[in-house]
Amino acid sequence: NAGVTQTPKFQVLKTGQSMTLQCAQDMNHEYMSWYRQDPGMGLRLIHYSVGAGITDQGEVPNGYNVSRSTTEDFPLRLLSAAPSQTSVYFCASSYSKYGTNYGYTFGSGTRLTVV
Amino acid sequence: AQTVTQSQPEMSVQEAETVTLSCTYDTSESNYYLFWYKQPPSRQMILVIRQEAYKQQNATENRFSVNFQKAAKSFSLKISDSQLGDTAMYFCAFRPIQGAQKLVFGQGTRLTINP
Repeated sequence: NAGVTQTPKFQVLKTGQSMTLQCAQDMNHEYMSWYRQDPGMGLRLIHYSVGAGITDQGEVPNGYNVSRSTTEDFPLRLLSAAPSQTSVYFCASSYSKYGTNYGYTFGSGTRLTVV
Repeated sequence: AQTVTQSQPEMSVQEAETVTLSCTYDTSESNYYLFWYKQPPSRQMILVIRQEAYKQQNATENRFSVNFQKAAKSFSLKISDSQLGDTAMYFCAFRPIQGAQKLVFGQGTRLTINP
C-alpha cells in the first residue's frame, strides 16, 4: 500500500537511551518532515528535508538528529532520551508540481514514552 | 513567523447538526495554502480540505466547506449534517507557497458528535 510507514508504533525508553524512529514513503515525494504532537500544542516541526542529502531544522530540533540518504527514508534519531521527549511523533511527506502543493501524507505515528 | 490559532479547545454538537470550527492565522505572506486535518482516536492524520489563498472561491468537499476570509486572516471549517464518525481532533494548518514546505499547525479543536 502506498503511503508513509512509521516504525515502531509504541516505544518506551529509559532516560539517556538512544533510538531511531523509522519513516519510509513509497510515493517518490521529495519533501519529508518530522513533527511531535503534545497536548494543547498541536504539531510542531522538528526537522525536515527537501530532498536526498538535504535537511534542515524546524521549530523544536534540540535533542534530535536526521539524515536523508535516499528519497524514501527519513529516520529520526534521539541522541539521549529525556522525559521532555515523551510525545507522539509523526512523519509526513509531500510533493509539489508546477508550484502547486498537493497536501501532506502522514504516517500513523509513534507514541514514545521516556521514563 | 507564522502562527495559527484555534480558539475553541472543545466543541460538542448533536448528530445531524451543523458545526463551525474557527481558525485564524498571522502571516505577512500573500500566497499560501491552508488546510484542515482530522485526527480520529486512531491517531491518523487525515486531510479534510485544502484552500489556496489566491483562489477567492471557498473550497468544499462533500459535507465539509470553508469560509476563507483573506483580509481577516480567518479560515473556518463548516461541517454539515454532522455524523458520529466526525468525532475527532481537528487541526488547522498553514503553509506559505514560497520557501520550505513547512506546515504550521494550530492547537486543535476536539469535536464530539453526540447521538
